[in-house]
Amino acid sequence: DIQLTQSPSFLSASVGDRVTITCRASQGISSYLAWYQQKPGKAPKLLIYAASTLQSGVPSRFSGSGSGTEFTLTISSLQPEDFATYYCQHLNNYPWTFGQGTKVEIK
Amino acid sequence: EVQLLESGGGLVQPGGSLRVSCAASGFTFSSYAMTWVRQAPGKGLEWVSSITGSGGSTYYADSVKGRFTISRDNSKNTLYLQMNSLRAEDTALYYCAKDELGFFGVVIRDWGQGTLVTVSS
Repeated sequence: DIQLTQSPSFLSASVGDRVTITCRASQGISSYLAWYQQKPGKAPKLLIYAASTLQSGVPSRFSGSGSGTEFTLTISSLQPEDFATYYCQHLNNYPWTFGQGTKVEIK
Repeated sequence: EVQLLESGGGLVQPGGSLRVSCAASGFTFSSYAMTWVRQAPGKGLEWVSSITGSGGSTYYADSVKGRFTISRDNSKNTLYLQMNSLRAEDTALYYCAKDELGFFGVVIRDWGQGTLVTVSS
């Protein structure tokens, strides 16, 4: 099974900061990677799919990059509404797996 | 508008069974694969199971294989997850989600709000 390792697990940042979250796969998954944002009590929200394609309606300050085994999610200028937990997920083949999550909190 | 409404969660004793459902609307249900994802309290997301649009193929996480069964009734636009031999570690919020297969592979845009399953004596 493919394991996804996110780093960091916790991030403290200020409004306006540039934030980067990394997701590493235990084996190559081409570009079959998605990023989600989840706020407390809510279902996950799709931000990025196919590693770098921005979901419609998601602000352009979010971007994704990478292929193979290393991927990044970048928030170019952190906004108050971006404080949440972020997950990567591979959809290369079954079983799908998620990263353990990165919680972004206000500094 | 796509709507996914889970139901059937509740409190069940260890070793017991429960079936949760997901009523879908706003799209041609039989044309899409569907997925169950769970989240234990305070923990991360875990993929549980997926099923093709026809129901002909099913996939399971190792943690539930042999205990859980995913199924669908396309005439009722409803997805199911039958959970047997439940354990405390199955306690979680269970989400259903709609899979979209396209040029970029599978994309999951639409999620329900979840139904809570608690396994405890």
